[in-house]
Amino acid sequence: KAGVTQTPRYLIKTRGQQVTLSCSPISGHRSVSWYQQTPGQGLQFLFEYFSETQRNKGNFPGRFSGRQFSNSRSEMNVSTLELGDSALYLCASSFARGNEQFFGPGTRLTVL
Amino acid sequence: GENVEQHPSTLSVQEGDSAVIKCTYSDSASNYFPWYKQELGKRPQLIIDIRSNVGEKKDQRIAVTLNKTAKHFSLHITETQPEDSAVYFCAATGGNQFYFGTGTSLTVIP
Repeated sequence: KAGVTQTPRYLIKTRGQQVTLSCSPISGHRSVSWYQQTPGQGLQFLFEYFSETQRNKGNFPGRFSGRQFSNSRSEMNVSTLELGDSALYLCASSFARGNEQFFGPGTRLTVL
Repeated sequence: GENVEQHPSTLSVQEGDSAVIKCTYSDSASNYFPWYKQELGKRPQLIIDIRSNVGEKKDQRIAVTLNKTAKHFSLHITETQPEDSAVYFCAATGGNQFYFGTGTSLTVIP
C-alpha cells in the first residue's frame, strides 16, 4: 500500500496570504489528523477528521481550518498567514479513530 | 483532556548501553500508547505500541512497559547503536485524539 502523501512538500508564502495543504491517507484509512511541528517543539494537535466530520480541534485560532472529502483526503487551510505559522505541518492517517497512526512526510511552510 | 508528560527531554548514552524514556498520562480512559521515532528531516515513524490490556511488549532491541495503576509507560532500547539517535515521542489515546509527549532527543555516542 502507498503511504500517506502530502502536497506540496515545501511552500513559501508572505504574511497575510493564505495557504491550502493537502493530505492523502493510506487507502482504506478514514481518520486523518493534522499536527504542527516547530523546531524544538513537539507535535501540536490541530484537528482530527473522520468520515468527513471534524471530531476534535486543538487550541489554534480560527485562521486554521480544514475539511475532509468523501474519499478521506483532507485539506487544511491557514488564512492571513503570520510569521509564527512557519512550521512543518504533518498529517497522519489511521484506519479508525484511536488506531495506529501513520504520518505523511509533511509540508514545510515558510512565511516571510 | 489528557495530559502526557515525557522525560527526559535529552538523553546521551554510550553505544551499547541501554536507554529508557518515560511518559506519564492523566486520563484513565486512555488505552493505546504508541511510540514514534523521528530522525532529522524525516516523518515520525511508529516503532512500537502497547494497548492497556498488556503490560509489556518487545520487538528485538526495543520494549515498552505499561503500568496502568501508576499511569506511566516507558520505552526501553537495549544495545543502543548510532542509528538509534533520533527524537522519540510517546503518545496516548482513548480512541479519539492522540496526545503526544514533548519528545526526547536521544544521542548515541559511538
